[in-house]
Amino acid sequence: QVQLQESGPGLVKPSGTLSLTCAVSGDSITRGRWWTWVRQPPGKGLQWIGEMSHSGTTNYNPSLESRVVISVDKSTNQLSLKLISVTAADTAVYYCARETTGTTERAFDIWGRGTLVTVSS
Amino acid sequence: SYDLTQPPSVSVSPGQTASITCSGQALDDKYVIWYQQKPGQSPVLVIYQDRHRPSGISERISGSNSGNTATLTISGTQTMDEADYYCQAWDDRTVVFGGGTKLTVL
Repeated sequence: QVQLQESGPGLVKPSGTLSLTCAVSGDSITRGRWWTWVRQPPGKGLQWIGEMSHSGTTNYNPSLESRVVISVDKSTNQLSLKLISVTAADTAVYYCARETTGTTERAFDIWGRGTLVTVSS
Repeated sequence: SYDLTQPPSVSVSPGQTASITCSGQALDDKYVIWYQQKPGQSPVLVIYQDRHRPSGISERISGSNSGNTATLTISGTQTMDEADYYCQAWDDRTVVFGGGTKLTVL
């Protein structure tokens, strides 16, 4: 049974860096899939942040690309997200998710429970 | 950038059929994906590649995609179907979500 668990600070100061990890169990993060981050501001819709492939290729939301880095730690089977220069607009529940297999137009079939990050001084 | 448009809300009576639309330019050139999200929970994949249901998803849920509009259909709607529904598509290696539709069963 594949499970994803997000973790990280729940409070980040404005202009600071948001850092989250996603622990993957029941699957190998390096075994032929893409892994993704999605966020959801309180009371609002889903926003895709970006993805990373098993081989290290990344794609990012153009609106966030200048501030975001997604990486993997093969030794711990974890996915990471870093978002710099945060503002209150970055306050959201952050989800990691596994993508279905395939070369294009993948869906997100397994999601973590999400973690709320609030940007405030 | 590519946009997907959903109605903010849809209401349906129990036992009736609910239809939730997702509109985008030449949308049938892409695969559409649908997620269900209940309050306080993570999204759940309910339809992928326009019309395919993952294992464990009710047969009452179906999808279609034609022209500029994709449709998620829930037949015999039950109170358990009350949720937010999001469509998703890919546009040049980036993901686009619709704004979401709140389905109310009343």
